[in-house]
Amino acid sequence: GEDVEQSLFLSVREGDSSVINCTYTDSSSTYLYWYKQEPGAGLQLLTYIFSNMDMKQDQRLTVLLNKKDKHLSLRIADTQTGDSAIYFCAEKAGGYNKLIFGAGTRLAVHP
Amino acid sequence: GAGVSQTPSNKVTEKGKYVELRCDPISGHTALYWYRQSLGQGPEFLIYFQGTGAADDSGLPNDRFFAVRPEGSVSTLKIQRTERGDSAVYLCASSTASADTQYFGPGTRLTVL
Repeated sequence: GEDVEQSLFLSVREGDSSVINCTYTDSSSTYLYWYKQEPGAGLQLLTYIFSNMDMKQDQRLTVLLNKKDKHLSLRIADTQTGDSAIYFCAEKAGGYNKLIFGAGTRLAVHP
Repeated sequence: GAGVSQTPSNKVTEKGKYVELRCDPISGHTALYWYRQSLGQGPEFLIYFQGTGAADDSGLPNDRFFAVRPEGSVSTLKIQRTERGDSAVYLCASSTASADTQYFGPGTRLTVL
């Protein structure tokens, strides 16, 4: 079945880079996504990558996809306190429109 | 432009009562999705509409849950005979027909006492 796993917590110092990792099981995934959720708020789409790509960069965000290992990562350069939130990895399996989410990684940025 | 909106933002009800949660998608988005997020978890898919019809309702947990989208725009998620285990944040998302990206609303926090 489909499953998405993430580490639960990451703590970084302000100004450093953050790397959040995710593994998924469905090899037919067409798109993979990163969403950000701040306390009491809905999900904000940060970025996404098509499964035939290896990397995507968008300002401070870099997404790396290793399709062979079914591993996705999100790198945030120059992490700021405003980046503190829960980050969800999600996949869209081939033939379906629903998203399968991981449990989320809580990113804490400290001075 | 306006994003996905959901009402109410909070709903407190008693066990056994009926509730309706409303979602207003982004204008022009033909696809609409409902997810449920329990505390400390990621969202879990409930149902997906393409236009007026439910294209995939495989995530509805049981027959107490039902959703409609009669005119292909606003959708209502209906929960009968609520149970304490139904307490969660109910999220709605919408997308264009190609469904590459889903945009989420702020959610409705349902608390069943």
